[in-house]
Amino acid sequence: GQNIDQPTEMTATEGAIVQINCTYQTSGFNGLFWYQQHAGEAPTFLSYNVLDGLEEKGRFSSFLSRSKGYSYLLLKELQMKDSASYLCAPLDSNYQLIWGAGTKLIIKP
Amino acid sequence: TAGITQAPTSQILAAGRSMTLRCTQDMRHNAMYWYRQDLGLGLRLIHYSNTAGTTGKGEVPDGYSVSRANTDDFPLTLASAVPSQTSVYFCASSESSGGSTDTQYFGPGTRLTVL
Repeated sequence: GQNIDQPTEMTATEGAIVQINCTYQTSGFNGLFWYQQHAGEAPTFLSYNVLDGLEEKGRFSSFLSRSKGYSYLLLKELQMKDSASYLCAPLDSNYQLIWGAGTKLIIKP
Repeated sequence: TAGITQAPTSQILAAGRSMTLRCTQDMRHNAMYWYRQDLGLGLRLIHYSNTAGTTGKGEVPDGYSVSRANTDDFPLTLASAVPSQTSVYFCASSESSGGSTDTQYFGPGTRLTVL
């Protein structure tokens, strides 16, 4: 079956760095997306990885290892507005997104 | 550019009644999707459409139907609502269905309560 595993909740301090891990098992693989979702709002696109390695985009970076079925999202210089859920979603062989339940990130002053 | 709009924002519906959730995008995207999101669960795909005139079933299609008469609109209909359909419904679209153009953009959601 297809499965996504992310921590349910994480807590970090404003100004610090946090890494949100995601492991996945899918039928085929065509890349992996990370989305951010603030409470009561729609998910918004953060990053897309299809090759192994690190993609950096401002304060956010995303890493992929296809052989390990593993990805992480790295958030630097945390701000209070980064309090949100972070959704890991690989694309399977049918180009369907398989969504994890998300990691709720709580930022404390 | 509005992106994706959904209507209504929220609705309380009596069990057994029918309802259509509306979704419109102005990005000329080929693919559109309907998801439901329940507490503690990931987004679950209800139905999708890769292009106007075609639709497909997702993970949880029972009790729902869709149509895709044109590129912009993708309504979701509940023929006879049941309490288990209480959820937040998101419509999304992507340029196409294949590769990096799969980036999905979401509407603001419809919060539906079935009593």
